[in-house]
Amino acid sequence: GQNIDQPTEMTATEGAIVQINCTYQTSGFNGLFWYQQHAGEAPTFLSYNVLDGLEEKGRFSSFLSRSKGYSYLLLKELQMKDSASYLCAVRDPGGFKTIFGAGTRLFVKA
Amino acid sequence: DGGITQSPKYLFRKEGQNVTLSCEQNLNHDAMYWYRQDPGQGLRLIYYSQIVNDFQKGDIAEGYSVSREKKESFPLTVTSAQKNPTAFYLCASSNPSGFSNQPQHFGDGTRLSIL
Repeated sequence: GQNIDQPTEMTATEGAIVQINCTYQTSGFNGLFWYQQHAGEAPTFLSYNVLDGLEEKGRFSSFLSRSKGYSYLLLKELQMKDSASYLCAVRDPGGFKTIFGAGTRLFVKA
Repeated sequence: DGGITQSPKYLFRKEGQNVTLSCEQNLNHDAMYWYRQDPGQGLRLIYYSQIVNDFQKGDIAEGYSVSREKKESFPLTVTSAQKNPTAFYLCASSNPSGFSNQPQHFGDGTRLSIL
């Protein structure tokens, strides 16, 4: 079956670092995406990994281990505006369909 | 600016009524998608279209219908057969074109409720 697991909620302090984990079991793999979604708004693209390793983009980094079916999103220097849901998504080998996890709601406190 | 426009932002449906959600994109993307999002759940795929005049059922297509007569437009009809239509509906587009690193671009969503 197809399954993507993420923690439901996390809380972190402004200025700190937080790591959001994602594990997946899918019938195929053609890349893993992380999206940010503020409540009631559209998801916006954060990062993409297709090869093992770390991809860094400003305050956000994403890591992938294909052999372990595991990824994480690392957010540094947390800001209040980072309070949002973070969606992990895996694209299928055909390139057209993407499976989304339920998302992790991150609360950033002062 | 290029983007995806969904309308209306809020929609109310009466029992036994069909309603249509609009999705228009000017990104020149070939692929378009409709997702449903319920509280505490991930995005679930309703229908997708890889190219004009072609579309495929997703994981939860029952009670929904779509058309793709133009590249820019992918309207979703929620029929009376969909017994639990209250949800947040998101339209997205992407341009795979063999480059799998292309993310999906989302519209701002339509929130559908039952009267």
